[in-house]
Formats: sequence, structure tokens, C-alpha cells
Amino acid sequence: DAGVIQSPRHEVTEMGQEVTLRCKPISGHNSLFWYRQTMMRGLELLIYFNNNVPIDDSGMPEDRFSAKMPNASFSTLKIQPSEPRDSAVYFCASSPEVEQYFGPGTRLTVT
Amino acid sequence: EDQVTQSPEALRLQEGESSSLNCSYTVSGLRGLFWYRQDPGKGPEFLFTLYSAGEEKEKERLKATLTKKESFLHITAPKPEDSATYLCAVEDTDKLIFGTGTRLQVFP
Repeated sequence: DAGVIQSPRHEVTEMGQEVTLRCKPISGHNSLFWYRQTMMRGLELLIYFNNNVPIDDSGMPEDRFSAKMPNASFSTLKIQPSEPRDSAVYFCASSPEVEQYFGPGTRLTVT
Repeated sequence: EDQVTQSPEALRLQEGESSSLNCSYTVSGLRGLFWYRQDPGKGPEFLFTLYSAGEEKEKERLKATLTKKESFLHITAPKPEDSATYLCAVEDTDKLIFGTGTRLQVFP
């Protein structure tokens, strides 16, 4: 199994630009989670899906952030417009029941 | 509100020097406690799940234990390759609440 796949691995963009992060979960896992990790705040849950349906988006910082899961094998996290304070590592994780399996992350730098 | 606190924030050990990491939690009803290992530049890697007080899980030099208020990750005779950040998390209605982690460095 290839594990959770995320792309791109690194993204550098200018303030105001749109950023789209992509995730392919492990086949057969019915839950998908988006996290953000920073030194200051640690690992924060942004949103999670169960069977492609968004269940809890209370961690999404503001309206600039949106996430979709059009099918069981693909999800996106979009930031529009991006700001320097969005710089962080963004992780996607998938779960068959309870344990979550993380992808390698996307390191986002907004200048 | 559910809370997870890990201590110490950082720990430096000599190779072979055993120690323990602590994870204390406050939850209305524990459904599961999870330990993860995170190497620099990588995503957290699942290690253990504990469900009830008194439960123990082992993997190589690591042993996780659980009481009603806290969990310990015991590291016996650590090696430099055990250097990583160790995260614990508690389950809260289908999602995990993570602590900020303990950064472990093991020197030869």
C-alpha cells in the first residue's frame, strides 16, 4: 500500500495567491482529516470527512479556507487568498475506524 | 473541554539511559489514547492505541501504559534511532485531540 499521498510536498507562493493542496487517502479508509502543524500551535485539526461528507469544520480558521472531497480517493484543501500567517505544514490523514494514518505533509510558505 | 498535556517538552538521553514520557489528559469519557512518533520532515506515525486503565502495549524498546488520568511511554535502553518527537492524542467523537509532543534526542 502506498500510504496517504499528498501533493505538492512544498509550495511557495506570494500573499494573495490561491493555494490548493491535494490528498489521496489509503484505499478503503472511510474517514479523512486535514491538519495544520506549526511550532507555536502544534497539530491542529482543520476539518474531517466521513464517507466523503464533511462532519466537523470548526477548526477551519476562516472563510479563506475551504475543503472538498468529491470522491473516496481524493480531497483538496484550498486557501484563497493566502496570507503569510498561513505558512505551516499541512497534513492529510485517513482512518479505517479510529487510528489515523498520516501523509508526508505539504510545507507551505507564503511570502 | 478535552485537553492533552505532554511533559517534558524536550528530553535528552544518553544511549542506553531509560526514561519515560508523560501524557496527562482531561476528557469526559476516554474512548482511546494514541501514541505517535514523528520524525523531522515526516508525518506522524501510529504506534499504539490504549483503551482502558491498566492496559499496556509494547513495541521493541517502547512500552505504553495507561491510568485513569495519564499515559506513560517508557523507553528502555534507547538508541539514537529512537530520536523523534512523540505525540499523544485522545479520541473525542471520531476525531483526535493532540498534545504538543515531547522531542526526544538520544546521543551515542
